[in-house]
Amino acid sequence: RKEVEQDPGPFNVPEGATVAFNCTYSNSASQSFFWYRQDCRKEPKLLMSVYSSGNEDGRFTAQLNRASQYISLLIRDSKLSDSATYLCVVNSDYSSYKLIFGSGTRLLVRP
Amino acid sequence: EPEVTQTPSHQVTQMGQEVILRCVPISNHLYFYWYRQILGQKVEFLVSFYNNEISEKSEIFDDQFSVERPDGSNFTLKIRSTKLEDSAMYFCASSERGQNRYNEQFFGPGTRLTVL
Repeated sequence: RKEVEQDPGPFNVPEGATVAFNCTYSNSASQSFFWYRQDCRKEPKLLMSVYSSGNEDGRFTAQLNRASQYISLLIRDSKLSDSATYLCVVNSDYSSYKLIFGSGTRLLVRP
Repeated sequence: EPEVTQTPSHQVTQMGQEVILRCVPISNHLYFYWYRQILGQKVEFLVSFYNNEISEKSEIFDDQFSVERPDGSNFTLKIRSTKLEDSAMYFCASSERGQNRYNEQFFGPGTRLTVL
């Protein structure tokens, strides 16, 4: 089983749509969870950390389900500028500095 | 907003040559990292560095690789004898915190390494 698994997409949605991405991780010892976005040939940029209680930042909502080892990201009112690859990222385990990246889910927002 | 910077943006080298990739982490960050991304693949961890020593490294980070913090601001990755398969984008990252807590890592723009 892959360490971090994501649907590669692409998700092709109109502006204003709501879109959700999911991710599963294999190591139950993972402690920290993140969503990053990556534009083509650019660096990963931290979008938000994902906390156990779930958290929201403007149009973005992240949820964590530790029992199912599942993380989600919801984007409301999609903008053209949201078009990017969304990377689900977890740390290796409680004693590790290492971040493990998923392969990403590609989002295309059309006018 | 403080950011991680990297130089050069693109490095072309011949197989077998040594390369040094440079990074300036965010100034109040204490933890530093190198990752790489081969074209079309996912981002992979190479090494983490704290308090002037390697704290963790991956299987990719073999004897050909080394890291150094030569002064108070720079953090370097050296590849001693480059191979064709070292061609990738190399990202430097830094964080305020280390393991056991949310170590939000901020990435530099990357150095694209091409080995011919």
